[in-house]
Amino acid sequence: DAGVIQSPRHEVTEMGQEVTLRCKPISGHDYLFWYRQTMMRGLELLIYFNNNVPIDDSGMPEDRFSAKMPNASFSTLKIQPSEPRDSAVYFCASSFPGEAGVSYNEQFFGPGTRLTVL
Amino acid sequence: GQNIDQPTEMTATEGAIVQINCTYQTSGFNGLFWYQQHAGEAPTFLSYNVLDGLEEKGRFSSFLSRSKGYSYLLLKELQMKDSASYLCAVLDSNYQLIWGAGTKLIIKP
Repeated sequence: DAGVIQSPRHEVTEMGQEVTLRCKPISGHDYLFWYRQTMMRGLELLIYFNNNVPIDDSGMPEDRFSAKMPNASFSTLKIQPSEPRDSAVYFCASSFPGEAGVSYNEQFFGPGTRLTVL
Repeated sequence: GQNIDQPTEMTATEGAIVQINCTYQTSGFNGLFWYQQHAGEAPTFLSYNVLDGLEEKGRFSSFLSRSKGYSYLLLKELQMKDSASYLCAVLDSNYQLIWGAGTKLIIKP
């Protein structure tokens, strides 16, 4: 398997523009996570899905952020409108469930998208 | 609140041993993970502990004491490629991963 795939790898945009980040999880993984990482705040969980259904989006910073998972092999994270403070590396990760249907197995991270909002 | 503490940065010498500590205060506990993250790359899984004691995996070992809310990652026979950040993460009662800020490990020749 190719691992978790993210695109684009780098994105530079201007404030106010819409940004869409894409993720393809590892085939067979039921869980998908979106993270944001900055020097100041470290790794933050934004939202995660189980079987394509959003389970917890309490980490999504505000209404400008939205995420979808239309099928088991594709997810998007959209920022509209983007702001300079959104500049960060955005990681997508996936995992399969452990026993009793909970995800305590390791998460496999994609290479990340480095977003710069000018 | 939920809190995970690790040192910000550590320096060690090639060939030596280093121990990276992690203390946590979380709402419930369902296991502790250690991840390695090289600069500019994604985190990769190193270890998972859910029971007290030491888990050894090659040059890396991870220890857990649930009663003390404490874990450490032990790296032996350090190599230059071990220079990276090491992230401690705890699975809380809701099976959410709570991440520490990471410890940047610098290896000197």
